[in-house]
Amino acid sequence: DTGVSQDPRHKITKRGQNVTFRCDPISEHNRLYWYRQTLGQGPEFLTYFQNEAQLEKSRLLSNRFSAERPKGSFSTLEIQRTEQGDSAMYLCASSYTEGGTDTQYFGPGTRLTVL
Amino acid sequence: AQSVSQHNHHVILSEAASLELGCNYSYGGTVNLFWYVQYPGQHLQLLLKYFSGDPLVKGIKGFEAEFIKSKFSFNLRKPSVQWSDTAEYFCAVRSTSGSARQLTFGSGTQLTVLP
Repeated sequence: DTGVSQDPRHKITKRGQNVTFRCDPISEHNRLYWYRQTLGQGPEFLTYFQNEAQLEKSRLLSNRFSAERPKGSFSTLEIQRTEQGDSAMYLCASSYTEGGTDTQYFGPGTRLTVL
Repeated sequence: AQSVSQHNHHVILSEAASLELGCNYSYGGTVNLFWYVQYPGQHLQLLLKYFSGDPLVKGIKGFEAEFIKSKFSFNLRKPSVQWSDTAEYFCAVRSTSGSARQLTFGSGTQLTVLP
């Protein structure tokens, strides 16, 4: 079990640029979640996938945010035309559903700084 | 909508003191409850979870939490803290009904244990 991995760990970009983050879940986990965490707050849910299907995306912060999980394995989160308010830690979590319950395991996050 | 309140933003204790961190949630249905911990420089780790059954759950490193349904609470306890328990602690809740599977987090409690 190598855990959830995220890449890059840090990203500095200029306002208006597009950024893409990658998440590799724990092997065989069928659910994958994206959260955002700002300073002094708990993680805030953005979207999640079950296998390759995106089952909830209404909580994505704006239409500049999009996520994919094309083969039901790794996922990418893209932010277009970044703004300074997008600066935050972006967390990925994965889980395996069993009996209607699941436990989410988090990756180390990608810290985004928008200048 | 679900919400989670952690009223203690920062707790400072001496080693061997007892710990209780408060967590209250607002949701009328059945929930799963979690405590996650984030040690300095590390990612979120699961401390313990409650799905059903015995409302007193034990987690790693001597932590336990009690689910009191009538009070909508899931307080975290440890009888004797160590310096290594210095970390940020997050309470999270998830509804078991409907299609929502995301966690709703509290804003976290920073615990500092003085040697």
